[in-house]
Amino acid sequence: EADIYQTPRYLVIGTGKKITLECSQTMGHDKMYWYQQDPGMELHLIHYSYGVNSTEKGDLSSESTVSRIRTEHFPLTLESARPSHTSQYLCASSVGLFYTFGSGTRLTVV
Amino acid sequence: RKEVEQDPGPFNVPEGATVAFNCTYSNSASQSFFWYRQDCRKEPKLLMSVYSSGNEDGRFTAQLNRASQYISLLIRDSKLSDSATYLCVVNSGGGADGLTFGKGTHLIIQP
Repeated sequence: EADIYQTPRYLVIGTGKKITLECSQTMGHDKMYWYQQDPGMELHLIHYSYGVNSTEKGDLSSESTVSRIRTEHFPLTLESARPSHTSQYLCASSVGLFYTFGSGTRLTVV
Repeated sequence: RKEVEQDPGPFNVPEGATVAFNCTYSNSASQSFFWYRQDCRKEPKLLMSVYSSGNEDGRFTAQLNRASQYISLLIRDSKLSDSATYLCVVNSGGGADGLTFGKGTHLIIQP
C-alpha cells in the first residue's frame, strides 16, 4: 500500500499547456523532493522542500515550480509545457536519508 | 568524472548463479551509501543501506571499500524476480540531502 501518491500516472499534453503534477504523502514527512528521470538515465533532483513554506531548487535546472502549503502536499507546476519537458517525474519524501518514492508521472508533451 | 559511476550492463545471469557489481564514487567525504532497486517503469525502492562493516540481508550482501571508493552488491542464488535495475546512491553533498543516484546496473536473470 503506497504512502506517497502521484497523479496522474500518465499525461499526454499539447505544447503550451499549463500542467500540475500532484504529490501527496500520508507519512507526515517534512522533507519532500521532485526528481526527473529520462529512460535509462539517473535521477536528477529538481526541487525539494524541508517543510511548509520551504522550497528550494535542486541540482538540475528546471522550468517547473513547486509549492508547499501543507505538509502532505507538494505539487509541481509547468506554466507552459514543451516537448523538452517530456520525462518521468518522481516525487519522494524522507525520514533521515531513507526515501520513499511515489510511482511517478510519465509526462509526454506533443 | 561523474560523482557516481556504474556499469549499465545488462548483466545476463542464469537463475541460481551468484552475481556481483560495483559502483564507484568520486567524493571521498561521502558518508552514506545505499542500493535501490528499480523495476522497469516503476519507482526506485530502497534495497539496503551499506555500512562500513558491510551489510547482509538474506541473499544480498553489500560492502563498502572506502580506500578505493567503491561499494558492491552481491546477489546469491539469483531468482527470476531479481531482474531489475540496481541503483547506487551516495550522499555526496549538494542540494537537499546531497543524495546522488547512479544510472543503475541492469540485471536480467534468465531461466
